[in-house]
Amino acid sequence: EDKVVQSPLSLVVHEGDTVTLNCSYEVTNFRSLLWYKQEKKAPTFLFMLTSSGIEKKSGRLSSILDKKELSSILNITATQTGDSAIYLCAVGRRDDKIIFGKGTRLHILP
Amino acid sequence: EPEVTQTPSHQVTQMGQEVILRCVPISNHLYFYWYRQILGQKVEFLVSFYNNEISEKSEIFDDQFSVERPDGSNFTLKIRSTKLEDSAMYFCASREVLQGGTTLQETQYFGPGTRLLVL
Repeated sequence: EDKVVQSPLSLVVHEGDTVTLNCSYEVTNFRSLLWYKQEKKAPTFLFMLTSSGIEKKSGRLSSILDKKELSSILNITATQTGDSAIYLCAVGRRDDKIIFGKGTRLHILP
Repeated sequence: EPEVTQTPSHQVTQMGQEVILRCVPISNHLYFYWYRQILGQKVEFLVSFYNNEISEKSEIFDDQFSVERPDGSNFTLKIRSTKLEDSAMYFCASREVLQGGTTLQETQYFGPGTRLLVL
């Protein structure tokens, strides 16, 4: 059975800290790995990763995929209170199914 | 900025009733999705839709559910004979596929969701 596992489940840090969120997967017919940020309602897209070892960056956020280890990390540097959210990892299959992890709940203390 | 819209934002219905959840995807997108998220649980894939037909569906998407793109802009999810356990947030999403050099970029946009409560 396909699964996506995120760790930690929750994390509390102080503003300015750097955090690393983990995602591991066992999914058949892997096509892509996606990261989303979910605040109050709908997930908002952060990154899509398809190739191993190529870092994607957007401001203070970056992510990389390791297809050998079947995992990905999402880094957030110099965290701000606005980064508080649930971060979702999802894996897209070639048949267009998408499997989500349970998310990491990140709380940034001022 | 273009966005996916969903109506209604909230719906309360009696068990056994039929509901139709509506979505307007971003206009030039070709791939459409429905997900649900039961309170406190993870987002679950329901169905994907491309070229006016279902391309993939999950085990959750049984005969109780159906999707339609009736007029080229709306994308609907119908739930027949609702059950208590259908109470959840239902998200619609649409995907564009951008060709950038040799890399295929995909960006999936979620709508704000419809919160369905079945009593």
